[in-house]
Amino acid sequence: EAQVTQNPRYLITVTGKKLTVTCSQNMNHEYMSWYRQDPGLGLRQIYYSMNVEVTDKGDVPEGYKVSRKEKRNFPLILESPSPNQTSLYFCASSLFGTGGHEQYFGPGTRLTVT
Amino acid sequence: GQNIDQPTEMTATEGAIVQINCTYQTSGFNGLFWYQQHAGEAPTFLSYNVLDGLEEKGRFSSFLSRSKGYSYLLLKELQMKDSASYLCAVRDNYGQNFVFGPGTRLSVLP
Repeated sequence: EAQVTQNPRYLITVTGKKLTVTCSQNMNHEYMSWYRQDPGLGLRQIYYSMNVEVTDKGDVPEGYKVSRKEKRNFPLILESPSPNQTSLYFCASSLFGTGGHEQYFGPGTRLTVT
Repeated sequence: GQNIDQPTEMTATEGAIVQINCTYQTSGFNGLFWYQQHAGEAPTFLSYNVLDGLEEKGRFSSFLSRSKGYSYLLLKELQMKDSASYLCAVRDNYGQNFVFGPGTRLSVLP
């Protein structure tokens, strides 16, 4: 089944404790992206990747890191999480970043930082 | 700057037609997307416009006017399952980053 998977789905952590949210897609997509979704603000793009070893900042990259060492995986790293990073996070992928290619979203990761 | 506006909430009756508007002001433009998101779920793709005009896809249509920075999503023959949030997103011309609007929560009443 074609899908985007994220782990963990739920995470409660404390300020400053490094964490990684994994994202994997099995559709051989070149483009991958991370978003956070907060009430009233909608989806905001954190980072995106056009292909392996190519990453770029979205609108809200501060406090996050990403890597794209292989095509299928695009982990999101929070080196020192803070309470303002409490949010619902979505990973997404599409065949290419250009054209009308739709993004397929993962199920989401709900992160709480205390 | 980047700004996308949508109405926060709308209500319509089953079987009716509803139009959800989206206005945008972005530093560049390389396509506009509409997504549907049911409560507690991930967004799913509905439509894509890059040229002016109407794109029809079954009960859903989407319109774009680039000169006005305006789009709308038209939903016909509303069904209860159409109760969801509808997200408008613009892809920036200078890269492949996406800017999403705040979403419109649509409630379909019997």
